[in-house]
Amino acid sequence: AQSVTQPDIHITVSEGASLELRCNYSYGATPYLFWYVQSPGQGLQLLLKYFSGDTLVQGIKGFEAEFKRSQSSFNLRKPSVHWSDAAEYFCAVPFGNEKLTFGTGTRLTIIP
Amino acid sequence: DTAVSQTPKYLVTQMGNDKSIKCEQNLGHDTMYWYKQDSKKFLKIMFSYNNKELIINETVPNRFSPKSPDKAHLNLHINSLELGDSAVYFCASSQNQGETQYFGPGTRLLVL
Repeated sequence: AQSVTQPDIHITVSEGASLELRCNYSYGATPYLFWYVQSPGQGLQLLLKYFSGDTLVQGIKGFEAEFKRSQSSFNLRKPSVHWSDAAEYFCAVPFGNEKLTFGTGTRLTIIP
Repeated sequence: DTAVSQTPKYLVTQMGNDKSIKCEQNLGHDTMYWYKQDSKKFLKIMFSYNNKELIINETVPNRFSPKSPDKAHLNLHINSLELGDSAVYFCASSQNQGETQYFGPGTRLLVL
């Protein structure tokens, strides 16, 4: 079945610490990959995307993600988190017919 | 300038009522979408229109009817509202099918 998996439902990180959010997708996905962020009560904002080329992609707010085809993964990273990074993060991948399928999201909590 | 806007932002209504949510994008995009986000934050596509033509119609009750009067607008009409329709509804748009989607702020619907 076509699916996008974010295995971590909730992650808590200290401010200033590094962060990695995991995302895996099932066979059949097109090689376009997205990360979106949703702050409380807000819409979704595009953090970064991978379409082709360099598999390490830089995004806004200091985030980056690495596409690893062999592992069907597109993990999101940030070297040092800020309190304002607390939000819900969604990985999204299109399957055929450009139907964008979202992962279940990872809620990020930042502690001082 | 708001790229993708939705009205209303909040909608509280009684079961059995009919309501509409409007979406407009000023990005000049050809494709527009409606998504539903449930209480567990799970995002699922409902409909997609390309140049006013319906291209994706997921398994959605026929009480939900999208209408696209022009490329810049995609409205969602819901008949006979049910408790289970309570959710956040997001509109999105992209230049073409398969390209980056930009989301509106969401409409929070509560059915009592």
